[in-house]
Amino acid sequence: EVQLVESGGGFIKPGGSLRLSCAASGFTFTNTWMSWVRQAPGKGLEWVGRIKSKIDGGTTDFAAPVKGRFTISRDDSENTLSLQMNSLRIEDTAVYYCVRDGYGGNFDYWGQGTLVTVSS
Amino acid sequence: EIVLTQSPGTPSLSPGERATLSCRASQSVSSSYLAWYQQKPGQAPRLLIYGASSRAAGVPDRFSGSGSGTDFTLTISRLEPEDFAVYYCQHYGSSPPMYTFGQGTKLEIK
Repeated sequence: EVQLVESGGGFIKPGGSLRLSCAASGFTFTNTWMSWVRQAPGKGLEWVGRIKSKIDGGTTDFAAPVKGRFTISRDDSENTLSLQMNSLRIEDTAVYYCVRDGYGGNFDYWGQGTLVTVSS
Repeated sequence: EIVLTQSPGTPSLSPGERATLSCRASQSVSSSYLAWYQQKPGQAPRLLIYGASSRAAGVPDRFSGSGSGTDFTLTISRLEPEDFAVYYCQHYGSSPPMYTFGQGTKLEIK
């Protein structure tokens, strides 16, 4: 059974940093592209960024609102995905979901999400 | 940049009725990269349809997807009480890499 379990959310002041983690199990993590998707309270879904598998280059891509502030990394030995968020802004407040990239650019498995609240 | 616009906004239907949800792209997109998700309150989204018309594993056959070019449709043939939720369409573009969601359609029970 595929499982994605996020951790690391919390309350942070504007300008601060936070690191989210996602523990993956039930599939071959090494071969899988992974993304983060967020959802502000009461709002829709927004893709944050993606990391390819190492065999496909291991490169990352980000949505414009977070580019230059967020980084994504992966530890294939621990089946763990991370999202490092720097220079946080109030508008980064959201539930952050760890998601598995399926074939065709869809998201076939989702974690339960972790809430990040940026407020002074 | 592709924009996905979903309609209608908040349809009110009764169990047993047919629901037709629309997703319109601002320019023609490949149906291979069009997906639909269902999200219930307090839950993570769930993949329903990928490649515009293929059902994900475990999705009941009352859910179907269709469309091409700029117009895509999610149809629920006979609404069950558990189908009242928010539905999102999503597209993937590779150059530059971008995953775009529609704003969502909230299906309400009448």
